[in-house]
Order: sequence, then C-alpha cells, then structure tokens
Amino acid sequence: SQKIEQNSEALNIQEGKTATLTCNYTNYSPAYLQWYRQDPGRGPVFLLLIRENEKEKRKERLKVTFDTTLKQSLFHITASQPADSATYLCALQYGGATNKLIFGTGTLLAVQP
Amino acid sequence: NAGVMQNPRHLVRRRGQEARLRCSPMKGHSHVYWYRQLPEEGLKFMVYLQKENIIDESGMPKERFSAEFPKEGPSILRIQQVVRGDSAAYFCASSPRQIGTGTENTEAFFGQGTRLTVV
Repeated sequence: SQKIEQNSEALNIQEGKTATLTCNYTNYSPAYLQWYRQDPGRGPVFLLLIRENEKEKRKERLKVTFDTTLKQSLFHITASQPADSATYLCALQYGGATNKLIFGTGTLLAVQP
Repeated sequence: NAGVMQNPRHLVRRRGQEARLRCSPMKGHSHVYWYRQLPEEGLKFMVYLQKENIIDESGMPKERFSAEFPKEGPSILRIQQVVRGDSAAYFCASSPRQIGTGTENTEAFFGQGTRLTVV
C-alpha cells in the first residue's frame, strides 16, 4: 500500500529564514498533491495543490515543488514568521472513483522569534 | 457563509455506549468525507458520501461504524458499542464536487473536529 513520509521530527527555524518541509511517497505517483496546515485542536486548512505534470506552484510566501522521479514534494515558506508555526500535512490523490486524500503524518514547524 | 460545522466538539462515552457525530457541510457542498486522527498519527480516510449515497467506505471498520448523509440534515457518523481504541479526533470535510475535479481542482474544507473520549 502507499506509504507517505514526512519529517517526524519537529523543524525549528529562526524567524525570517526559509522553512523547507519534505513529503516522500512510495509506489506510483499521485494525480495531485496537496498541502494543508493544521493548528492544535483545529481542522486542517488547505494551502496549495500541485498536479503531477507541474514542477512548481507558488502562492505568496509559499512554494511547492513536485518531483515524480524522486517521488518527493518540497514545501517552502520564505521569510518565515512565528505565526507560521503549525503542523503541515501533505496529502496525495490518485483519482479513481473517490479521489480521496491520503495524508502523511505531518511535520511540526516552530518558528522562533 | 459558515464553514463546515461539526458537533459536538467534545464527546465522552463509556465503553459500550453509542457515539453520534454530526457534520453540516458548507452551504452548496454535497460531498462529505470523514477522517479519523489518532494521537501522533495522520488523518485516516474513513468514508466518502454524497447526498443519500455512500460512495466509498473502504476506510471504515466493518463492524460498529456506520455513516449516512440524508437528503435533509447533517451527515452522521455513528459508532456503536464504543471501545477505548475508538478514542480519537474525527474530522469531516466537504467540497462542492469531488475533491480534485474540475478546472479549479477543488480542495477539501475541514471542520474543527469532534474529539471522542471513551472511558
């Protein structure tokens, strides 16, 4: 079955630096890959979506890359702020009848002021 | 436009009781997904419903769990005879069409979750 790996260790960075989070998967590549943010006690919030035929997608300070050869997506937050501290989840979609999202376990990002 | 509403936010049940979790999707959304999140684990897909139909229940335990999304009213996730292992956060997500379809690649909108504790 598909396995999705995100950094299990928390990522601590200094304010103003670029945070880079990794999402690796096994087996075949998904049709879409999405990134969500989750704060403690809250539901996930959608951030970005990238298709399998796209290499990169940007939205304000966020950038996502998708490398189907490496079976990896990278999520970057530039000029990070303490308010960016949260857990970031990657989710894969394979199409089919339901196109359901399959989530990784998430990476906790802590931005120090 | 209110977001996805889940209630209750917290639910405590004794072993053997029934738990009913409710989800009202965003206005205009007819697709509902239920996920379970255990501590230190990711969100696990349980079931995908459209109005009055179960489309995919491949992630739902075969026994004790059921879900519905009636023509009128919220979607309900029902857990009968709860056990300690059912303690988790249950999230509902909705979308106006199937996630990922359409020219704008629909994303999922999540509720705040129901935290079920079985004592």
